[in-house]
Amino acid sequence: GENVEQHPSTLSVQEGDSAVIKCTYSDSASNYFPWYKQELGKRPQLIIDIRSNVGEKKDQRIAVTLNKTAKHFSLHITETQPEDSAVYFCAARGRGGADGLTFGKGTHLIIQP
Amino acid sequence: SAVISQKPSRDICQRGTSLTIQCQVDSQVTMMFWYRQQPGQSLTLIATANQGSEATYESGFVIDKFPISRPNLTFSTLTVSNMSPEDSSIYLCSTNTPSEQFFGPGTRLTVL
Repeated sequence: GENVEQHPSTLSVQEGDSAVIKCTYSDSASNYFPWYKQELGKRPQLIIDIRSNVGEKKDQRIAVTLNKTAKHFSLHITETQPEDSAVYFCAARGRGGADGLTFGKGTHLIIQP
Repeated sequence: SAVISQKPSRDICQRGTSLTIQCQVDSQVTMMFWYRQQPGQSLTLIATANQGSEATYESGFVIDKFPISRPNLTFSTLTVSNMSPEDSSIYLCSTNTPSEQFFGPGTRLTVL
């Protein structure tokens, strides 16, 4: 089955700086890669996703890049703000949605004022 | 999109008992998924539930411990059987569209 590795487990950055979280996956059949933000006591919220036919996607301060050959994808957050503090999870899914998501272990992002 | 509700939102149970969690989706969906999130951990897929067929369980999860029902295209239940403190987790119901995966609000289970 799929295995998703996520690094780092904790990331502390100064407000206004950029944050990068990296994930690798093992199953070359995976074709959908979402990123979720989870605040304490809440359900995961999708913040951005990318499919295997696209190399990069951007939505305002958030971007995701995908390298299919190397089987890794990354989340980039620019101009970080205090409200970006949360746990971020990457995930991978194959088979057009017939499979559930396999999640990375999560990154606790801390924005220092 | 899909709006998912779960009942109960939280419960405190005694060891050895069972709890059934209900999941309701506001539209008909083919796939429903159940995840577990242990304290401070990531989400782990328990099983996939399709209407009209047996649920498919992931490695480490068995039907006797986590029986699932899927009586129609908008509803599913997950039972946590013969509970122990290690079952204390948040259990989340989920479904997907071709474009996105949606999660319910979760059921926070504490086993004493």
